[in-house]
Amino acid sequence: QKEVEQNSGPLSVPEGAIASLNCTYSDRVSQSFFWYRQYSGKSPELIMSIYSNGDKEDGRFTAQLNKASQYVSLLIRDSQPSDSATYLCAVASGGGADGLTFGKGTHLIIQP
Amino acid sequence: KAGVTQTPRYLIKTRGQQVTLSCSPISGHRSVSWYQQTPGQGLQFLFEYFSETQRNKGNFPGRFSGRQFSNSRSEMNVSTLELGDSALYLCASSLGTGVTGELFFGEGSRLTVL
Repeated sequence: QKEVEQNSGPLSVPEGAIASLNCTYSDRVSQSFFWYRQYSGKSPELIMSIYSNGDKEDGRFTAQLNKASQYVSLLIRDSQPSDSATYLCAVASGGGADGLTFGKGTHLIIQP
Repeated sequence: KAGVTQTPRYLIKTRGQQVTLSCSPISGHRSVSWYQQTPGQGLQFLFEYFSETQRNKGNFPGRFSGRQFSNSRSEMNVSTLELGDSALYLCASSLGTGVTGELFFGEGSRLTVL
């Protein structure tokens, strides 16, 4: 049973600070990792993908991957109230037979 | 460029009935994936179609089925509805196969089973 674990939160962060979201996964052969953002009542939208160990930066977002520790994280710098949403971590195994496995998400609240 | 379109957006059914949901992917996208989202289980993978062929299937009973047409539009069907089938059903399209590509989700079809 492939699992993706996230702290459900809510995670409360002051405006302008760094928000740190974490995710662990159980399937050691996983190769593709994604972060999706879901606003209340809306559908998920992709914000970051990462495939190799290390950091990947895109604007205010940085994804970090450590395959040895089976750990993925998302950093949001200069957090804005508009970043308040649920962040979903998704993992794909090499063969892709099970589609994307999603965590249940972390509810992030940016306090003005 | 139009996004992923799902119809109907909302529907109410009773136990034992069946339902068909429709998804039109982004133009040029050949992969369509379906997910079920519930508060308790989160997002769960149902199946993926690529060029009219079911490529992957999640751990759902046979009551859940789908198909993809030559224009990449997809439908999913749930037969003999149960109360536990009440959920948001999300369709996502991608250029390549859904597992390695970027998924673009539709707004979803919210099914309530009474």
